[in-house]
Amino acid sequence: DTEVTQTPKHLVMGMTNKKSLKCEQHMGHRAMYWYKQKAKKPPELMFVYSYEKLSINESVPSRFSPECPNSSLLNLHLHALQPEDSALYLCASSQDEGTGYGYTFGSGTRLTVV
Amino acid sequence: AQKVTQAQTEISVVEKEDVTLDCVYETRDTTYYLFWYKQPPSGELVFLIRRNSFDEQNEISGRYSWNFQKSTSSFNFTITASQVVDSAVYFCALSVDNYGQNFVFGPGTRLSVLP
Repeated sequence: DTEVTQTPKHLVMGMTNKKSLKCEQHMGHRAMYWYKQKAKKPPELMFVYSYEKLSINESVPSRFSPECPNSSLLNLHLHALQPEDSALYLCASSQDEGTGYGYTFGSGTRLTVV
Repeated sequence: AQKVTQAQTEISVVEKEDVTLDCVYETRDTTYYLFWYKQPPSGELVFLIRRNSFDEQNEISGRYSWNFQKSTSSFNFTITASQVVDSAVYFCALSVDNYGQNFVFGPGTRLSVLP
C-alpha cells in the first residue's frame, strides 16, 4: 500500500459547524503533514507530526486543531472556520521527518466554508 | 532564505510537442534536495523526482527528463512527445535540510496539452 488516503474528498461546512478531516497511510511512515492550498497557489505547510508528536505548527489559527491518534492516522479538527479558510487541504507522509525522503501526498479534501 | 522560481505561469502545447518547464532555485546551503511534483485536476500531488545537490547527472524516465545545472541553479524538466494526460500543474520544490519547515515550493507551472 503506497497511498495516503484522505476523507472526505469534498466538504461544505457552515461557520458554526465542527468537522474533521481524516488522513491515513499504511506505509510505515513516521512523519505526517497537513498542507493548505489555495487556488492557483502552491501548498503551504500547516503542521508536522513526527513519531506521533506535533513537531511544527506554522502559526496556524486555533480553529484548526490537529491530532495524531497513532502512526497511521492524522486528523484535522475544524471549528468556527471563516470563508477564507476554503481551500484544498492536503495530507502527506514521509519515511521520517526529512524531506530528503520525498513526500507522498493524498488527493486532498476540498473544503468550502459558507 | 530559500526560494524557487518557476517563471512560466502557464504553457500550452499541442499533443506530441516537446515542452520544457523551467525551475530556478536560490540557496546558500551546499547540501540540498530538489523535487518535481505533478498535480493533476484531481488534486493529488504526485512525486516525480528527487535530486540531491551532489548529483548533477541528468535523469531520464520514459518521456520525462531532468536537467540539473548547479552553475545556473536550475533544475529544468522536459516532457518529450507530450500527451493530454500530462496536463497538470507542475511544482518544483527545494529542501535545504532534513526538516519539513525548509521545504519550499515554487509557484507552479500550469501545462495544458491540447489534442
